[in-house]
Amino acid sequence: SQQGEEDPQALSIQEGENATMNCSYKTSINNLQWYRQNSGRGLVHLILIRSNEREKHSGRLRVTLDTSKKSSSLLITASRAADTASYFCATSGANNLFFGAGTRLTVIP
Amino acid sequence: DAGVIQSPRHEVTEMGQEVTLRCKPISGHNSLFWYRQTMMRGLELLIYFNNNVPIDDSGMPEDRFSAKMPNASFSTLKIQPSEPRDSAVYFCASLQGGGSYNEQFFGPGTRLTVL
Repeated sequence: SQQGEEDPQALSIQEGENATMNCSYKTSINNLQWYRQNSGRGLVHLILIRSNEREKHSGRLRVTLDTSKKSSSLLITASRAADTASYFCATSGANNLFFGAGTRLTVIP
Repeated sequence: DAGVIQSPRHEVTEMGQEVTLRCKPISGHNSLFWYRQTMMRGLELLIYFNNNVPIDDSGMPEDRFSAKMPNASFSTLKIQPSEPRDSAVYFCASLQGGGSYNEQFFGPGTRLTVL
């Protein structure tokens, strides 16, 4: 399956700490995307990293991609209570995205 | 832009009834996706349209499910007859350009409960 798999399934941290989530996949990809989903809402795109990129930043987000290991990580620095959500990685197929099961992040105020 | 619009937001129906979910993609987007999300199976792609044409419907569970996109601004997902195992949140997403190279914009979802 091309579907990404996130690790850990759940993560609980104190506000101000950094949160790291990992994603592994099995086949070659065009790009890898990270999405956030707040409870009861649709998914919101956070960041896209192409297969020829190794690292990308967006605000407090840092994404790395290691195509040799078929893995990616999402780092959220200086976490806030509002970061509490589920985070999904999505790997690109020919015409669509394959979403993993997600990591449930809880940031405790 | 109002984003992707889905209706209804919530639907409760009885087993055997027909259910129709609606989606209006973002204007100018030419690709549309229907997903189903459950606790057990996560987020599953049901069908993908590009320029109103179904490209990949391999995720449609069975013949009870059908989807149409009569024009660039409207799509429907129909379940007939509905069953309790169809209970899930159904998302519509759209993007510009086709393929998997760009971000998808998701609607708020329709929470379907089949009793």
